[in-house]
Amino acid sequence: EAGVAQSPRYKIIEKRQSVAFWCNPISGHATLYWYQQILGQGPKLLIQFQNNGVVDDSQLPKDRFSAERLKGVDSTLKIQPAKLEDSAVYLCASSLEIGLQSSYNSPLHFGNGTRLTVT
Amino acid sequence: GQNIDQPTEMTATEGAIVQINCTYQTSGFNGLFWYQQHAGEAPTFLSYNVLDGLEEKGRFSSFLSRSKGYSYLLLKELQMKDSASYLCAVRSNDYKLSFGAGTTVTVRA
Repeated sequence: EAGVAQSPRYKIIEKRQSVAFWCNPISGHATLYWYQQILGQGPKLLIQFQNNGVVDDSQLPKDRFSAERLKGVDSTLKIQPAKLEDSAVYLCASSLEIGLQSSYNSPLHFGNGTRLTVT
Repeated sequence: GQNIDQPTEMTATEGAIVQINCTYQTSGFNGLFWYQQHAGEAPTFLSYNVLDGLEEKGRFSSFLSRSKGYSYLLLKELQMKDSASYLCAVRSNDYKLSFGAGTTVTVRA
């Protein structure tokens, strides 16, 4: 099966600029996650979608970050304007829909991530 | 929310055994995952525990004690390619998956 696709792989921008990341999950996976991973730390959940609805965005800095999954398949994460502390790897992951996860060993499958450097 | 603790670094010799401990505090427990992450790559799934006990999968085993809020990942017959970061992640009752900071394992010849 094809894995989670993300683009771009790398991005370098200056502070106060805008940037967008794209993710296409594994086919049939209803749940999609965006994580931020700062160097030397574990991934931190930014937002979780089930189909095209937001399940959790409590840790998303909404003054500058936004995400959408309009058709319940691929998703876009945007940062506007970027700050130096946003330098990190942005990981997209997908899994089966929430209602099925407790019935199955349903891990998250991660994409290769986008490495963002803000200068 | 979750509070997940694991050691920062561990070093072991090729062929040896290493045990990575993870302790957690959660408002509602719905499974524990271990992921492997090589430098510059995405995390990949290793193991899943939801009931107490040991799950064995080849050279890797994972143990869970829910009453103690404790898990460990056991890596046997270490190989150089096992040098990576190992992430403990806890799923809560609202299906959020929270990660620890990761344990960097270095395997030496």
